[in-house]
Amino acid sequence: DTGVSQNPRHKITKRGQNVTFRCDPISEHNRLYWYRQTLGQGPEFLTYFQNEAQLEKSRLLSDRFSAERPKGSFSTLEIQRTEQGDSAMYLCASSSRTGANVLTFGAGSRLTVL
Amino acid sequence: GENVEQHPSTLSVQEGDSAVIKCTYSDSASNYFPWYKQELGKRPQLIIDIRSNVGEKKDQRIAVTLNKTAKHFSLHITETQPEDSAVYFCAASHGNRDDKIIFGKGTRLHILP
Repeated sequence: DTGVSQNPRHKITKRGQNVTFRCDPISEHNRLYWYRQTLGQGPEFLTYFQNEAQLEKSRLLSDRFSAERPKGSFSTLEIQRTEQGDSAMYLCASSSRTGANVLTFGAGSRLTVL
Repeated sequence: GENVEQHPSTLSVQEGDSAVIKCTYSDSASNYFPWYKQELGKRPQLIIDIRSNVGEKKDQRIAVTLNKTAKHFSLHITETQPEDSAVYFCAASHGNRDDKIIFGKGTRLHILP
């Protein structure tokens, strides 16, 4: 377990298709976050989990976005009926409940919607 | 909800000079303020953080100051070096009550030779 792993690293899809991203956090981390980052912008909060519970989902997130963390380990982020505006880097991060809430980020999944 | 504003968006300084990046936040309940550095093509990494019970924290050439009354905090980098060139993000969160971390839009720092 060497860090936060995200797959796939790159995804090119046509508008209207569904895509799913997977995040495997650091094993002892019980908090998991999803962020979206576009060029020249900071990470935009999407949602986060503590264990398997989804604690908050951004109001900016449409109903086309859904995230799960069924067993409190890996998480998936699904985008249905993709739009060109969904093109971005999707970052996953995890942190431990103890101590400071230091996020360890994955390398990200870059989505391009044609 | 929390909103974090960061400026400047771009900053160029001569190598060896100091750089200062400033952020403001909107939610007075926020009590944890981390700074992340993102080098080109890489993932963001924490460089320093501060909690609301202290006004300043230093780690070698990096320092962060916090003014809770004014709801702003700043990153100071002294004796800048080429490897300091990156995008820096400030962030804020409630810490204990709400672990959501909200980021600013970032400052691209260029260290000029």
